[in-house]
Amino acid sequence: AQKVTQAQTEISVVEKEDVTLDCVYETRDTTYYLFWYKQPPSGELVFLIRRNSFDEQNEISGRYSWNFQKSTSSFNFTITASQVVDSAVYFCALILATDKLIFGTGTRLQVFP
Amino acid sequence: EADIYQTPRYLVIGTGKKITLECSQTMGHDKMYWYQQDPGMELHLIHYSYGVNSTEKGDLSSESTVSRIRTEHFPLTLESARPSHTSQYLCASSGRDRVAMNTEAFFGQGTRLTVV
Repeated sequence: AQKVTQAQTEISVVEKEDVTLDCVYETRDTTYYLFWYKQPPSGELVFLIRRNSFDEQNEISGRYSWNFQKSTSSFNFTITASQVVDSAVYFCALILATDKLIFGTGTRLQVFP
Repeated sequence: EADIYQTPRYLVIGTGKKITLECSQTMGHDKMYWYQQDPGMELHLIHYSYGVNSTEKGDLSSESTVSRIRTEHFPLTLESARPSHTSQYLCASSGRDRVAMNTEAFFGQGTRLTVV
């Protein structure tokens, strides 16, 4: 069975601090896809990144970076120099090639000025 | 930009009423999903579909039903609304890109349902 675990329920930081959101997944499939979404207080889900199981390259996009490690089944997300606008709930998600999309329980990030 | 639409955005309805939440996408995606979510909380999958005439129940038991008669349309129906159904309902779709990899799920803006 597939599963996504986000052990951090809530994280609070002060602006300009770096913060890492953890995501651990479980699957027996060799082909799968991982995603991160942001849900600001307005409620919509904003797609951030997709990574497939064959691509272990880390990625950086501005202040955001992602570290995908198959050896530890982790897909962690780091925000560098956090800003108040980064305050949101962040969800990690997993989909197999032919199965449903499963979300972790989310991590609420609060960035204080 | 994602082309998936949910209507209505907000709905306040009395107990016992039948309601249908609409979801349509114009991307030709085969997979569609319904999630139930209380504000800022976990997303619970309640229904999903792999394609026309395919529907499955998700991990969270729900009294709602769905249908998938057309690729682009995935409505959710509650035959008799109750206050416990008060929540946000999010519809999503996903497909495959040019190299047959799963795309991300595209989400509608959600329907905030209040049953009084």
